Amino acid sequence: EAGVAQSPRYKIIEKRQSVAFWCNPISGHATLYWYQQILGQGPKLLIQFQNNGVVDDSQLPKDRFSAERLKGVDSTLKIQPAKLEDSAVYLCASGKGVNEQFFGPGTRLTVL
Amino acid sequence: GENVEQHPSTLSVQEGDSAVIKCTYSDSASNYFPWYKQELGKRPQLIIDIRSNVGEKKDQRIAVTLNKTAKHFSLHITETQPEDSAVYFCAATPGDYKLSFGAGTTVTVRA
Repeated sequence: EAGVAQSPRYKIIEKRQSVAFWCNPISGHATLYWYQQILGQGPKLLIQFQNNGVVDDSQLPKDRFSAERLKGVDSTLKIQPAKLEDSAVYLCASGKGVNEQFFGPGTRLTVL
Repeated sequence: GENVEQHPSTLSVQEGDSAVIKCTYSDSASNYFPWYKQELGKRPQLIIDIRSNVGEKKDQRIAVTLNKTAKHFSLHITETQPEDSAVYFCAATPGDYKLSFGAGTTVTVRA
């Protein structure tokens, strides 16, 4: 079974620039999550999708972050404009339900 | 929302000894408690989980215990090996699939 795929793996941008991350979940997984993991901390949920609908985006900074999951499969997370404090690893995870989540390799974002 | 606290933040053990990591949660409705292992630069991987209708679960050298009354759960690793060195995260969810993670414990196994 193929795992969760993410790209790019690394991204370096300057503050106020824009950036987008892509995630392809495990086939058949209806639920998709985006997490932000700041160095030395646990993952923090940004947004949760069920198929192509948003279930929870209460911790997404909506003034600069946006996410979509068209057709209920792939998802993109965008930051516009980026701030220094957005430097983190952005993890995508997917699940079939019953709680278990499988994580992708993450995208390490550095904002200079 | 759920708040998960994890202790200790770092743990150094001699190879062959046991390691114990403890977590507390705030939402009494939480019913699923997974543990993830994250090696340096890699993705978190589920190593064991427990549901609220079970008090203890074991998988080879790894075990998890849950005390619903006290709202805490623990990870036990016995006969530690160098490959057990990693960051371990506990998490909890009240069943809506939204995991709240602890801050992590960096475990170092000394040869």
